[in-house]
This record gives sequence, structure tokens and C-alpha cells, in this order.
Amino acid sequence: DQQVKQNSPSLSVQEGRISILNCDYTNSMFDYFLWYKKYPAEGPTFLISISSIKDKNEDGRFTVFLNKSAKHLSLHIVPSQPGDSAVYFCAASAYGNKLVFGAGTILRVKS
Amino acid sequence: DAGVIQSPRHEVTEMGQEVTLRCKPISGHDYLFWYRQTMMRGLELLIYFNNNVPIDDSGMPEDRFSAKMPNASFSTLKIQPSEPRDSAVYFCASSLALNTDTQYFGPGTRLTVL
Repeated sequence: DQQVKQNSPSLSVQEGRISILNCDYTNSMFDYFLWYKKYPAEGPTFLISISSIKDKNEDGRFTVFLNKSAKHLSLHIVPSQPGDSAVYFCAASAYGNKLVFGAGTILRVKS
Repeated sequence: DAGVIQSPRHEVTEMGQEVTLRCKPISGHDYLFWYRQTMMRGLELLIYFNNNVPIDDSGMPEDRFSAKMPNASFSTLKIQPSEPRDSAVYFCASSLALNTDTQYFGPGTRLTVL
């Protein structure tokens, strides 16, 4: 049973536009959420995180939004750049426990 | 620091053979994780260690998989015997804490079982 779901396997966006990656979760005990980014032939690297006490966290071009009532979070990238093309993993944890990852979304930013 | 080091980067083997994947975590990190990435299931946690002790191996698919951490600077993931469905990219990661953003991943080992 997948507790963290990324229902869009891929997303294609034009350079300069907004990229929105979505993630849904089923475990209401999750209280910490992260996004990781992965380039080909490399391991995932941490991108941005958010605690359940917040509904938004921003870091430069990257913003994560959390909607606890809908058990949904999203990652916004504005403006999108070709270097943002990668696989994006959503992850969550509950009360200091291990991370649970989603299946990933492939983002392609076209120039 | 060189980061998390994994070897080999690529492994091609035949069904039934034993496969051993190796990992050197970042010095000083107390946690070590083994993950598997497949197209169907994404990034799955197989097992993690805290101070060289296995804490949670609930993600290990079956008895053919085993992992050890004999010391703070080395861990292995062994598959014996290997099967074609084990083909995937296996990542090792290490961190100071269990669930925070400080989980650092190695480059992965791409395993192909023919």
C-alpha cells in the first residue's frame, strides 16, 4: 500500500513557465515532508522540506505548499529552467520515523 | 568529504549468481539506508542501520536479500541467488538523523540480472 503517491509519472513544461508537481499521502500521522531531486546516474539530493505546522515554505524559485485537510502537497518551480529537468521525489515521515518516498515524477523543461 | 561511496556502479550478472553491493557512508553519520529504485515502485527503503545495528528490515523483499554493517564505515547488501526481477538501481544513503533533510545518497549501483 503506497502511503505517498505521485500520480503523474511525467510533466513537460516550457522554459520560463511554472512547473507544478503534486503529491498525495494517506497517512494522517505524517508531520514532515520533503522533496528530493534526482539527475540521471546520480543519487537523489534534498531540495526543500516543510513541517506540518506550516502550509508554505519558499526557497528561491522553489515553493512547497501543504494542504493537510486534503493530504496533498505540491512543489512549484518558478520560473522553470532546463537545468530543472530531473526526477522529483516526494517523501514524508511521521514523528521522527523513516522517510517514505513516492514513485517520482519526471520533469522535462523545454527550451 | 567524498560523500557516500558505492561500488560497483554497474553490475551485470546471470540469474542464480550471488551479488554483493558495497557502501561507504559519510564519516560521522549514524544512520545508513539501503534503497531500491524501480520504474513500478519508485524509491523503496529496504533496510536501515543505526550505529551499525539493523533497525528496520521490513522492506527487504525476501530471504534472498541480506545486509550487514560490520563497522561504521562499511555496509554490504547481498542478493543470493539473484533473479531477473531484482534488476534495479540500488542506493545507499547516510544521515545524522532519521528523517530530516540531511539524508545524503550515493550515486547508486545499477544491477542487471540476466
